Amino acid sequence: SQTIHQWPATLVQPVGSPLSLECTVEGTSNPNLYWYRQAAGRGLQLLFYSVGIGQISSEVPQNLSASRPQDRQFILSSKKLLLSDSGFYLCAWSLDRQNYGYTFGSGTRLTVV
Amino acid sequence: QKEVEQNSGPLSVPEGAIASLNCTYSDRGSQSFFWYRQYSGKSPELIMSIYSNGDKEDGRFTAQLNKASQYVSLLIRDSQPSDSATYLCAVKRVYKLSFGAGTTVTVRA
Repeated sequence: SQTIHQWPATLVQPVGSPLSLECTVEGTSNPNLYWYRQAAGRGLQLLFYSVGIGQISSEVPQNLSASRPQDRQFILSSKKLLLSDSGFYLCAWSLDRQNYGYTFGSGTRLTVV
Repeated sequence: QKEVEQNSGPLSVPEGAIASLNCTYSDRGSQSFFWYRQYSGKSPELIMSIYSNGDKEDGRFTAQLNKASQYVSLLIRDSQPSDSATYLCAVKRVYKLSFGAGTTVTVRA
């Protein structure tokens, strides 16, 4: 069966520090991968998605970047964090089929101080 | 206009009652529709999917889809305190899933 791992679970970082969040999927190949952010009390905002190795699509221009160095690995990065980057970051995977939903990782709660 | 809109909450229902959640979407090209449940502090969990007009039942959950009206709903029968959560409607077109803001449901014991 497929599983998705996301770490760390919680992170407190100072303003201006770098960020690296990692997500890996097991049990499937060539998944579509997604990064979402959920601010406190808000909906899910799609940040990046990838349909293949090295392919990244950005939905919202901001202080973040994403990379997919391997088929089942998705990384979210920032060179310098802002206070507004605080939130609940969720990685998700899906297959390239219309009727396939997303499966989310357990999330990373990021607080920028 | 938001891509996916859900009825504003919070929704409070007594234990054993039916909770009714509604969702409308703007993109007529949308083809797949999903309901997620999100407990406080946790990630969303897929509970229902529907692709064709009509009803789909799974245990105490029933999803309804009307593509002509661009409308999706979720009924939770015999609501339990464990159903207290935020329910997210999601609409898929090609690769991307667009989410509504969610409706928070509280089941009163």
